Amino acid sequence: SQQGEEDPQALSIQEGENATMNCSYKTSINNLQWYRQNSGRGLVHLILIRSNEREKHSGRLRVTLDTSKKSSSLLITASRAADTASYFCATRSGGGADGLTFGKGTHLIIQP
Amino acid sequence: DAGVIQSPRHEVTEMGQEVTLRCKPISGHNSLFWYRQTMMRGLELLIYFNNNVPIDDSGMPEDRFSAKMPNASFSTLKIQPSEPRDSAVYFCASSARTGQLEKLFFGSGTQLSVL
Repeated sequence: SQQGEEDPQALSIQEGENATMNCSYKTSINNLQWYRQNSGRGLVHLILIRSNEREKHSGRLRVTLDTSKKSSSLLITASRAADTASYFCATRSGGGADGLTFGKGTHLIIQP
Repeated sequence: DAGVIQSPRHEVTEMGQEVTLRCKPISGHNSLFWYRQTMMRGLELLIYFNNNVPIDDSGMPEDRFSAKMPNASFSTLKIQPSEPRDSAVYFCASSARTGQLEKLFFGSGTQLSVL
């Protein structure tokens, strides 16, 4: 079963606009990670946020985590055509299991 | 660094045939994961290894699936016999440490089509 569920399933915006994707999960977590997948490729790690952190930045990426609501958001600022991809959140359970559980992803399209 | 290497890149086979997918993790990584991706079910964790030892294979769908890691630089995922519903993209990923906050490095995947 899926742990993380991304919202929306698909998002189309104009280049230069900001893109926000949300992720909800069900059980307690150790950390939450965001990955990007370009068409026909493997997933690439973007950013990791620990359960005791509330916000984290990396370049044009901003991630928030609200453990009380079991939710996270990924904000991409000043979007570019190259940001077109699917974005997945992944969680590692508080029980310490090593495997990451992925959501089904948000497909982001940046219109030039 | 060559990254995680998977082969073959594409595999087309007929129902009932044996399929073997291969993975070479990043040198020095001691955790290896096999995932399957489909439109309907998304990314599913099939099995993972720590220090070449299988830790959790609860995601392996059936006895038709088996995975091995004979050494730190090689793993296989075998399907015997294959069925059309096994068609998916199979990813291998590796990471540097166990039980910590490490990120996964993914290979490019094997696109499997079972006719």
